[in-house]
Parts: sequence; structure tokens; C-alpha cells
Amino acid sequence: DIQMTQSPSSLSASVGDTVTITCRASQSVMSFLNWYQQKPGQTPKLLIFAASSLQSGVPSRFDGSGSGTEFTLTISSLQPEDFATYYCQQTYSTWTFGQGTKVEMK
Amino acid sequence: QVQLLESGPGLVKPSETLSLTCTVSGGSISRDYWTWIRQAPGKGLEWMGFISNSATTNYSPSLKSRLTISLDTSKNQFSLRLTSVTAADTAVYYCARGGSSYLHYFLDVWGRGTTVTVSS
Repeated sequence: DIQMTQSPSSLSASVGDTVTITCRASQSVMSFLNWYQQKPGQTPKLLIFAASSLQSGVPSRFDGSGSGTEFTLTISSLQPEDFATYYCQQTYSTWTFGQGTKVEMK
Repeated sequence: QVQLLESGPGLVKPSETLSLTCTVSGGSISRDYWTWIRQAPGKGLEWMGFISNSATTNYSPSLKSRLTISLDTSKNQFSLRLTSVTAADTAVYYCARGGSSYLHYFLDVWGRGTTVTVSS
């Protein structure tokens, strides 16, 4: 299996902050990496696919980068609706999710 | 637009088989990958497996011995069958579409999820 490790597991931030979440793969997944947002009690929502492609309808303050084994999700100018848990997922080989990063209000 | 809806029992006894169905509306099941994901209470997302439009399957190694995903194109449905369940299989079960762009797959449409409790 390819293991996906996100860091940090949680972070506290304020509205307007820039937040960066890292996702590391145990082996190269090239650019087969997606990011999802999940709010409490809600279904996950696709934000970024293919490491850096913004899903239709997702605000441009969400940005994905990286390739190989290290990826980042950056949220610029954090908005109140962005407080949620974020997951990375690799689809290079037998798909797996990272453990999640919870973005909480400071 | 494509919508997915999970259905099945909310309560399953230990050692029995969990069966869930996902009904796809607004689009054809004859393309894309059709996926099951689960989330135990207070935990993260766990990818379980998928079935392609050509009925090729790919399962999580941790579930492979107990899991079967099947496709019924006549009903526009796909199903999950998980045998020998234990309390550890208690979770919200989601079905999702594995859409694609230039061979990059992603889960772009999700069902609302259905809660399954394993208990006697």
C-alpha cells in the first residue's frame, strides 16, 4: 500500500490567515493526488485534483502544488466557511486517503 | 446532474454480511469508476474499493478478503457486500463516482452516506 501522511493533524488559524497543509506519500504517486474538504456532518467535497487542478466552483483561494511524494494545499485568506477537515487522496495505486487535517478557529 | 443515493440496513449483527446499494441517477453507470468509502465515528475517510464501468474491481488490501463490489447496469446501481462484520465495521458508508480527466481519477460526486451499526 502507499501510505499518505498529512501534517499537521490539526491547526488553529484566524479568518484572513494563509494556511498550508502537507501530504507526503510513502512512494511516488506522480501527480495522482486529490484534496477534499469535509465539514462536520457533511459529505466530503472535491477541491483539487491532479495535484494542482482546481475543481469547478471551488474558490481560487485554494491552491494545490507538488508532485512525487510531497504535496501541499494552501488556503489563502481563510474564510469562516473554510474551517473543516481536509484530506489528501492518492489514485496512483490502490487508492488511499491521508488521515486528515482539521483546521480550527483560533 | 449525477446524484448518488445509498440504501441498505442500518443495523447488522456481528459475523453477518453487510449489503449496501448505490443508485445512480442523472447519468449512466456505464462509464467512470464507482467507489465505496467509509468513515468510522470520529475517524477519517477509508477508501474501500471501486468497480469500473467494465466491471474491473480494485479493493483495499485490508478489506479484500471480505469485500465484493458489483455493478448492475440495467438498474444503474452498484453494490457493496462485506462479510463477517464486526463492531469495527460500524461507520458511515459513502458511495461516490470516480470521475476522470486525462487519466487522473477523483471522487467528484458523493452520496449523502448511510450509517451502518454492527451490533447484536
